[in-house]
Amino acid sequence: AQSVSQHNHHVILSEAASLELGCNYSYGGTVNLFWYVQYPGQHLQLLLKYFSGDPLVKGIKGFEAEFIKSKFSFNLRKPSVQWSDTAEYFCAVNAGSGGYNKLIFGAGTRLAVHP
Amino acid sequence: EAGVAQSPRYKIIEKRQSVAFWCNPISGHATLYWYQQILGQGPKLLIQFQNNGVVDDSQLPKDRFSAERLKGVDSTLKIQPAKLEDSAVYLCASKPKGHYGYTFGSGTRLTVV
Repeated sequence: AQSVSQHNHHVILSEAASLELGCNYSYGGTVNLFWYVQYPGQHLQLLLKYFSGDPLVKGIKGFEAEFIKSKFSFNLRKPSVQWSDTAEYFCAVNAGSGGYNKLIFGAGTRLAVHP
Repeated sequence: EAGVAQSPRYKIIEKRQSVAFWCNPISGHATLYWYQQILGQGPKLLIQFQNNGVVDDSQLPKDRFSAERLKGVDSTLKIQPAKLEDSAVYLCASKPKGHYGYTFGSGTRLTVV
């Protein structure tokens, strides 16, 4: 069955600390992976996505993620977090075929950054 | 480009009452999704439409939930009767057919008391 696992449910960091959020997936087809962010009271926004090619993907706001096929992982990183990064982060895999694709999400990681 | 519009933003109902949510996707987006996001969990797909046809409703509790997209544009999701465990944010998303550019609405937060 298709699934996404996020290891950390809550992460608390101080500003300027480095961030790494874990994501592992289980999917047998062609893998398309996403990280979404949800700021308080706002809709889900795409941070970055991986379809093919360079396994190190750079996204918006200084985020990046690395696809490691052998580990079925797609971890999100940021070298130095800011208070404004406080949000919930969701890893997702695109499942389906024939144009009938859908996103399967992990449970999310709630990040709190303290000044 | 206008985003995915959802209404209402918030709804509080008593258990056993009925409720309906509305979604207006981005113009031209053939595929429309309804997700349920329970507090502390990731969004879970309830139903997927391609134009006005249902592609996947395997996780829709069909004894109480129904959804339609009659003209292949707007969609409504209904719960009748509601249970306490239906308290969640209901997200609508859309994308063009064969494309991976999903756009999400702000959601409707339902509280069942």
